[in-house]
Amino acid sequence: QKEVEQDPGPLSVPEGAIVSLNCTYSNSAFQYFMWYRQYSRKGPELLMYTYSSGNKEDGRFTAQVDKSSKYISLFIRDSQPSDSATYLCAMSQTLGGNTPLVFGKGTRLSVIA
Amino acid sequence: DTGVSQDPRHKITKRGQNVTFRCDPISEHNRLYWYRQTLGQGPEFLTYFQNEAQLEKSRLLSDRFSAERPKGSFSTLEIQRTEQGDSAMYLCASSADRLLGYTFGSGTRLTVV
Repeated sequence: QKEVEQDPGPLSVPEGAIVSLNCTYSNSAFQYFMWYRQYSRKGPELLMYTYSSGNKEDGRFTAQVDKSSKYISLFIRDSQPSDSATYLCAMSQTLGGNTPLVFGKGTRLSVIA
Repeated sequence: DTGVSQDPRHKITKRGQNVTFRCDPISEHNRLYWYRQTLGQGPEFLTYFQNEAQLEKSRLLSDRFSAERPKGSFSTLEIQRTEQGDSAMYLCASSADRLLGYTFGSGTRLTVV
């Protein structure tokens, strides 16, 4: 079993839909949870991060962490064609990079106009 | 441009040849990471530097791979006697102490023919 599991999709939704992206993990030592967005032929860019359990909202994006279930989610409201990309979840045990980030496979999202 | 810079963007090489990639991190970031990403997969950790010290290496980093970060500034990743299985996107990222998440470069895409 991989440390971080993520459904690779692809996921195709109409413009304006609410998108739900998820990851599960097995290592209970993970405390920091991140979502990266990666456009084709580009490096990942950090979208959001959360510490431990709870919710965090930033504009159209909401990140949720449920440590008891080892499950994290990213919700995108009012999805736009420009949101079409691969979304990667990533996790870390410590702040500041003493332990490297562990990534999921990524979910490929297409938002159709 | 104050982002992470990687050079070259693309490299095609024949099997058995040596290749070297360069990464210039964000100047105030003391931590530097190399990751490898194959098609349909998330980035996989290769190695990590704090300043000029190489603090961690993944088991993925075989004896044919070597990385350096002289003077704690730019870094190079060399692959000797390349194999077709080395074909991937090689991503460099940097971060600072107490900074959550990394800033990635656009990567070097290696094709071994």
